[in-house]
Formats: sequence, structure tokens, C-alpha cells
Amino acid sequence: SAVISQKPSRDICQRGTSLTIQCQVDSQVTMMFWYRQQPGQSLTLIATANQGSEATYESGFVIDKFPISRPNLTFSTLTVSNMSPEDSSIYLCSVKTSGGSDTQYFGPGTRLTVL
Amino acid sequence: AQSVAQPEDQVNVAEGNPLTVKCTYSVSGNPYLFWYVQYPNRGLQFLLKYITGDNLVKGSYGFEAEFNKSQTSFHLKKPSALVSDSALYFCAVRDAFSGGYNKLIFGAGTRLAVHP
Repeated sequence: SAVISQKPSRDICQRGTSLTIQCQVDSQVTMMFWYRQQPGQSLTLIATANQGSEATYESGFVIDKFPISRPNLTFSTLTVSNMSPEDSSIYLCSVKTSGGSDTQYFGPGTRLTVL
Repeated sequence: AQSVAQPEDQVNVAEGNPLTVKCTYSVSGNPYLFWYVQYPNRGLQFLLKYITGDNLVKGSYGFEAEFNKSQTSFHLKKPSALVSDSALYFCAVRDAFSGGYNKLIFGAGTRLAVHP
């Protein structure tokens, strides 16, 4: 497995502002993903972060709202733009390592509260 | 379309008793199945997976799960529950024929409460 860290671990933000969440992995990974977990809900995939190209977004999520970067094989950022209270969620980064493993490993998450 | 159902919002078990957390799935091809656990204010921790082979898979912390193709189920089990097992458990599925697309579909989650 990989050791995954996220910054910040939590934040409280004002409506209309943006927050960038960082995900750092201790080894090179083939794939990185961003998920959202709304209060009391399950996890929903936002997008796949592609190294060197634009992220692949799931239905209902758009680049203008959730821009994603992945400059290398160990790091990715997710920005939550123009936030509203409905964006209050836990945002989780996950990775798939190389070597044919089908397992996704998750970071500790970022708990975002929008006032 | 892929889907996962966890029919129980909460499961209550006495410490030392066996536990079962239920999961059923629907995929168009062969399923890749996973169980994760989430402790309060923590991320998801991987417990175990079924890809192919033996229907009974063993994972972390003494958990195991049985893949049943005819019933499209992948129930999580443990012979003797611990209070420390109390957490939120998620079942997830991926379609093996989705090629390079690695989307995991998660169930709604089941809260396990183990009482002393």
C-alpha cells in the first residue's frame, strides 16, 4: 500500500471563496482519484486526476467548479471553487499503485465546512 | 449500470458474537469487490477484496468475506466481534470489464455497533 497525506485536514470557509486541497503520496502511483463524501452519505467519485493531461470528470462534476491538477506521479490538488454550503463535505484522495493491484487506497480526507 | 446495496443502515452485535454486514451488487461483467472501514474522523481503510479465485477471502483485523455469484452477494463476516470494530463499513464494486476505467461504486454504508 501507499502512505497518503492530505492538507488541510479540515477547514471552515466562507461562501464564495475557493479552497485547494493537496494530496501527497510517498511513492509513484499509476492513478489518483478524488471523491466526495457528503454528510451522512457514501462516497462519490468526482474525477480521475491524469498526470500531464486534463482530469476526467464524472457526470455532475465540472472542471470550472472542481479544477484538478496532477503535475507528477505523487501529487495532486483539488480546488473547490466559489463555494456554497452545499459543498460542505469530506473530500478524499485515493490512489492505485502500480503492479496490477486493483485496490484503491484512501487518504485521511479533508473535512470542509462552508458557512 | 453498476450498483451496490447495503440493506442495513446499522448492525448491532454483542462483543464476542459473530457479525455479518451484508452487501449485494449488480454489474454487467465479472465483479471486483471490496470492503472498506471508516473510523470517526478518519479516511477509508482497505479491509479485503475479491478479484478471482477462492470465494472466501480473508482480510485485515480478522475479517473475511464470501463471494456468492448466484446470490450476487459479498457479505463481510467476523467470527468474534470486538468493541473496537465499531465503525462505518462500505462495500464497493468495480466492473472487471471496464478496462482502464477504475471507477468504484460504493454502497451507502453500514454502521456497526459492537456492545460490551
